[in-house]
Amino acid sequence: AQTVTQSQPEMSVQEAETVTLSCTYDTSENNYYLFWYKQPPSRQMILVIRQEAYKQQNATENRFSVNFQKAAKSFSLKISDSQLGDTAMYFCAYTTNFGNEKLTFGTGTRLTIIP
Amino acid sequence: DAGVTQSPTHLIKTRGQQVTLRCSPKSGHDTVSWYQQALGQGPQFIFQYYEEEERQRGNFPDRFSGHQYPNYSSELNVNALLLGDSALYLCASSPPATETQYFGPGTRLLVL
Repeated sequence: AQTVTQSQPEMSVQEAETVTLSCTYDTSENNYYLFWYKQPPSRQMILVIRQEAYKQQNATENRFSVNFQKAAKSFSLKISDSQLGDTAMYFCAYTTNFGNEKLTFGTGTRLTIIP
Repeated sequence: DAGVTQSPTHLIKTRGQQVTLRCSPKSGHDTVSWYQQALGQGPQFIFQYYEEEERQRGNFPDRFSGHQYPNYSSELNVNALLLGDSALYLCASSPPATETQYFGPGTRLLVL
C-alpha cells in the first residue's frame, strides 16, 4: 500500500523568506504522480503543484517549486518570497498513473507566515 | 466557469440519523471522488464514481453509500450516524482519464 509521510506538523517563517516543506512516500510503482495541495482556513483544497514521476525535471509554478528525488522517494515543496496569503495547511498527495485513481494524502504541515 | 460546488456548507445531525451531501463537478469532469477529513488529519478516500457506478472504495463501512447522476453530479449518503462521522467531507472531480483532482469547498458535518 502506498503511504505518504509529512514529518513537520508545523512551520513558521517571516514574510518574504523562503521555506521548504518535506514529504516522503512509499510505493512499489515506477510511474505515478505527486501533488502539493494548500488548504487555507476557508477549507478549500487548492492544487499548488504537481509532478509526474517519469519526468526528471522538477515542476515549478511561480513562487512554488519542488525538489523531486525519485530514488529517495522524497518530494519537498519550496515556497520563495513567502506571502501572508501562503498561511495554510499544506498536504502532500500521491496517486498512480492509471488515471482517475484515489489520492493518498499525508497528515499535513501547518505553515504560518509571520508579518 | 464554476468550480466544484458542494451543499450544504454546514450540517448538524444527531446520532442514528441519516444524511445526504451533494456535489456538482466542474464542467467537463466526469469522475467524482469523496473524501473524509477529520479535524487535524489529511483527507481519507471514501469512494469514487464514474459512469454512475462506484469504481473504487476506501476502507469505509457500508453505512457510507453514494450515487452519481447522468449529469455527473453526485451524492454521499451516511446512515446510522456515529459521533465519529463528524468531519469535513470533500468532493473532488476530475476530467476523463486524468490524475489531477479538483476539490470543492467541503461540507462540515457535526454529529451530536
